[in-house]
Amino acid sequence: DTAVSQTPKYLVTQMGNDKSIKCEQNLGHDTMYWYKQDSKKFLKIMFSYNNKELIINETVPNRFSPKSPDKAHLNLHINSLELGDSAVYFCASSPRGRSEKLFFGSGTQLSVL
Amino acid sequence: KQEVTQIPAALSVPEGENLVLNCSFTDSAIYNLQWFRQDPGKGLTSLLLIQSSQREQTSGRLNASLDKSSGRSTLYIAASQPGDSATYLCAGAPLSGGYQKVTFGTGTKLQVIP
Repeated sequence: DTAVSQTPKYLVTQMGNDKSIKCEQNLGHDTMYWYKQDSKKFLKIMFSYNNKELIINETVPNRFSPKSPDKAHLNLHINSLELGDSAVYFCASSPRGRSEKLFFGSGTQLSVL
Repeated sequence: KQEVTQIPAALSVPEGENLVLNCSFTDSAIYNLQWFRQDPGKGLTSLLLIQSSQREQTSGRLNASLDKSSGRSTLYIAASQPGDSATYLCAGAPLSGGYQKVTFGTGTKLQVIP
């Protein structure tokens, strides 16, 4: 069973479209994250939710809107996609507390044409 | 603002060699430091996590050390194997301002040649 699963794995779309990426974790973790990995493989945090509450919102365009219907799910909706949004988006989760490891999904490669 | 650097960006070694990957961070006020491996087209897998109060952690052929005073962590891989080929990333969690704001390094791409 996959611990952190995200769909779709690949997403190819035109500029201006709206798309969503879904993430689910079956680890019982309280905290979930969205990370963006750019073309240079640099990983940067975008959002973090703790038990459905937004706790981190880094400098991300407001075209990106996370939604957490319950603590096992964290979806990412992107409006009006731009070329610069092309990247790999990773979902991750961790248990409550500072000392625990991050568990990552396998990523969604978004290509905006 | 925390900055995490990994040098070298790429490393190629023959199978069986022992090797060290380096991670430097600018802000020593970290709560923990993690080492991850990333295989092509895959997510990150956590290898080792070192608490700020610890000096090292070991798992099998892997040993990670942490020296907060110098802002450095190393990942030692013993008797490297072709299956170790991957990109290795280190990441530090801050002591304050939200432990979730983990900062990742730029990664070292390791190739172990049979």
